[in-house]
Amino acid sequence: NAGVTQTPKFQVLKTGQSMTLQCAQDMNHNSMYWYRQDPGMGLRLIYYSASEGTTDKGEVPNGYNVSRLNKREFSLRLESAAPSQTSVYFCASSERTGLLAGGYYEQYFGPGTRLTVT
Amino acid sequence: LAKTTQPISMDSYEGQEVNITCSHNNIATNDYITWYQQFPSQGPRFIIQGYKTKVTNEVASLFIPADRKSSTLSLPRVSLSDTAVYYCLVGGYGGATNKLIFGTGTLLAVQP
Repeated sequence: NAGVTQTPKFQVLKTGQSMTLQCAQDMNHNSMYWYRQDPGMGLRLIYYSASEGTTDKGEVPNGYNVSRLNKREFSLRLESAAPSQTSVYFCASSERTGLLAGGYYEQYFGPGTRLTVT
Repeated sequence: LAKTTQPISMDSYEGQEVNITCSHNNIATNDYITWYQQFPSQGPRFIIQGYKTKVTNEVASLFIPADRKSSTLSLPRVSLSDTAVYYCLVGGYGGATNKLIFGTGTLLAVQP
């Protein structure tokens, strides 16, 4: 059981280049998320997918697109990278989104992708 | 959206109990309080979650007063391996608040 995996682990891009960050989970979770974390700051939600076939914007969606390829995979695309997108990107998954009797569903995070845009 | 305020950093020694307090004055009725732990170069990991009063698991306890405007994460007898950033989150998806907000967290440094 690998949990949440992300590729690549590290990436350096030049301004204007494009790339796709890949995320996969093997826990049969319905919901998946993309966050970014800048130095000295908390995580900020970019996009999430409550279930296969749906995606929604989070706090900082500008400059990004996502694809929920299937239940397991959720990719994040930077069409034209900018230095402001230099960050560590985390993918996460949870059984579902929303509220249940005991609280919100726990999110499981991947190891992160460290992206530098020069 | 419920915003949280935590101390930026705390120091402790091995074997001590550590209490980290989080303020969330505008918490909504449907909001739960959740704590995550993050080690360097890793993604956050869920620790504990609660709605009111006290919740305890094998790792920590969470104390929430009746007005729910604050909460306290209690780590009993910390060790060096508890050195990490601890995030207090309020809200969730699908409830009254539609976003899960990670603040800047509290950096706990445990010394021998």
